[in-house]
Amino acid sequence: NAGVIQTPRHKVTGKGQEATLWCEPISGHSAVFWYRQTIVQGLEFLTYFRNQAPIDDSGMPKERFSAQMPNQSHSTLKIQSTQPQDSAVYLCASSLDRWGGYEQYFGPGTRLTVL
Amino acid sequence: GQQVQQSPASLVLQEGENAELQCNFSTSLNSMQWFYQRPGGSLVSLFYNPSGTKQSGRLTSTTVIKERRSSLHISSSQTTDSGTYLCAMEPYAQGLTFGLGTRVSVFP
Repeated sequence: NAGVIQTPRHKVTGKGQEATLWCEPISGHSAVFWYRQTIVQGLEFLTYFRNQAPIDDSGMPKERFSAQMPNQSHSTLKIQSTQPQDSAVYLCASSLDRWGGYEQYFGPGTRLTVL
Repeated sequence: GQQVQQSPASLVLQEGENAELQCNFSTSLNSMQWFYQRPGGSLVSLFYNPSGTKQSGRLTSTTVIKERRSSLHISSSQTTDSGTYLCAMEPYAQGLTFGLGTRVSVFP
């Protein structure tokens, strides 16, 4: 079991460019979560899929951020027109998830730096 | 206000000492999880503990859901225990809400 895989591990973009982050959940896990970690804000929930369907995106900034899960083996987080304040470590997690109540396993994260 | 409050914010230990980390929740929760993170490192799940006491090696987690609190006990601390310990609550069928963490430094 390779755990949750995230690519790339590091990404540097210029202001205004687009960034796409990839996540491969643990095989057999039905729920995928995205979080963001900064020194100032700590860890913040962004969005959540169950069986590929979006369930809760209450943490997602309303503009420029979008997430998809086109199949059970990967999810993407896309940030359009990146801004310096988007710089953070973006973390993906997966769980077995039967309507909540299951342990979440985190990937190593993608460190996004917006210049 | 902060839904998940962790205390203390930081802790300095001499190797061999015990420590107790606290986590209090301001809202009802379905379950909670303890994590460990080294600077620049990944989040490592220590305990998924919706209620009761769980032990893994020198670490013990106790959660009392009705009182909205959880604790993490480190016994006989070692320098390799240094890092940040984070607790997180899971409201029903939602993403985790994290505390700000307790930074633990263990010196020989």
